[in-house]
Amino acid sequence: NAGVTQTPKFQVLKTGQSMTLQCAQDMNHNSMYWYRQDPGMGLRLIYYSASEGTTDKGEVPNGYNVSRLNKREFSLRLESAAPSQTSVYFCASSDRLRETVSNQPQHFGDGTRLSIL
Amino acid sequence: AQKVTQAQTEISVVEKEDVTLDCVYETRDTTYYLFWYKQPPSGELVFLIRRNSFDEQNEISGRYSWNFQKSTSSFNFTITASQVVDSAVYFCALSEDWTGNQFYFGTGTSLTVIP
Repeated sequence: NAGVTQTPKFQVLKTGQSMTLQCAQDMNHNSMYWYRQDPGMGLRLIYYSASEGTTDKGEVPNGYNVSRLNKREFSLRLESAAPSQTSVYFCASSDRLRETVSNQPQHFGDGTRLSIL
Repeated sequence: AQKVTQAQTEISVVEKEDVTLDCVYETRDTTYYLFWYKQPPSGELVFLIRRNSFDEQNEISGRYSWNFQKSTSSFNFTITASQVVDSAVYFCALSEDWTGNQFYFGTGTSLTVIP
């Protein structure tokens, strides 16, 4: 099925290690997003990419970097992981034109559960 | 600044009861969009509804209904005759864009339906 695929689904890191979370969508969407979800906090936007070649900071960008590798892929990198970055990370994609067909504002992946010890 | 408040952290109801989940928002935009998402225990996010700021008509979809009132900046969600499968965390969200570009999510309401 078409959608947003995130890898890995689970990961445990030690403090100070680096890690890249991968996200790919096969719906030819222009916009992609990374969120983190913490208990009692809802989802918060880390970074987004409105189109291929552009990235912008969201609400909580500190400690993260992103790369919009091509139209399909949008990766999130933790250069030096900290326990405060333990969270569930969601990738999403959207497209103004195609959204009228799917009737979904954003398509979310299933999430990556990241624990940092 | 955009803000969404879901004051109810956890709600428990007995199956077949009706339940209303509250959502209050703040924005200075005249055009904005409101959304509800469901997150079942499996963790995925399921889109339920989107409303734009110019459409205050209430919406009903099966057992689900939504009440949008600009006068009180509220977008409440009611489940009629609740079922165990309705047990989930429900998020209300706000965006200036209809695709949800830069969502502002509430903190969620965890609903437990007891059989």
